[in-house]
Amino acid sequence: SQQGEEDPQALSIQEGENATMNCSYKTSINNLQWYRQNSGRGLVHLILIRSNEREKHSGRLRVTLDTSKKSSSLLITASRAADTASYFCAFSGGTASKLTFGTGTRLQVTL
Amino acid sequence: NAGVTQTPKFRVLKTGQSMTLLCAQDMNHEYMYWYRQDPGMGLRLIHYSVGEGTTAKGEVPDGYNVSRLKKQNFLLGLESAAPSQTSVYFCASSYVAGVVQYFGPGTRLTVL
Repeated sequence: SQQGEEDPQALSIQEGENATMNCSYKTSINNLQWYRQNSGRGLVHLILIRSNEREKHSGRLRVTLDTSKKSSSLLITASRAADTASYFCAFSGGTASKLTFGTGTRLQVTL
Repeated sequence: NAGVTQTPKFRVLKTGQSMTLLCAQDMNHEYMYWYRQDPGMGLRLIHYSVGEGTTAKGEVPDGYNVSRLKKQNFLLGLESAAPSQTSVYFCASSYVAGVVQYFGPGTRLTVL
């Protein structure tokens, strides 16, 4: 399988703390994306980073990409209870018309 | 705009029954996808379409068929349901390949 691997599988933090989750992949990629999934809902796109970019920010989100290590990380700063969700990385490569998703990280933010 | 919608939201089937899941998008997207999500497995691509009248196999296509007769609709069929097809099914669409995908709310299917 070409699925991405994410770690940790689950993460529990308190409100106000930072949350970091990591994604590793095995192929060459064009871009890498991060999605959020609230319980029982569809996935929502958060941020996209291209293969020639090393870091990208969007609000409280910071994504890094290291193509030499085939890995990416998502940092959520000053977490809120509303950030409780599962987070998935997804990547596309070559001429592929599709995305490959990671296995996900379940984030629990407690008050 | 409704975005991506899926019908039905829930369904219970008996082994051997057939059904069709409907996905509709109103964003004029060329690409549409069907995924299944199982605990601990992330999302796995079943079939996808790169335009009206086209379909292609994804990672786990066995036991499923699809059709894209209209650009806005993508149908997923189960001809003879099996318990292994118990899952949550998500449809998604995108304007071009490899970019942001927009997801529907999902269909929870149980096969007894």
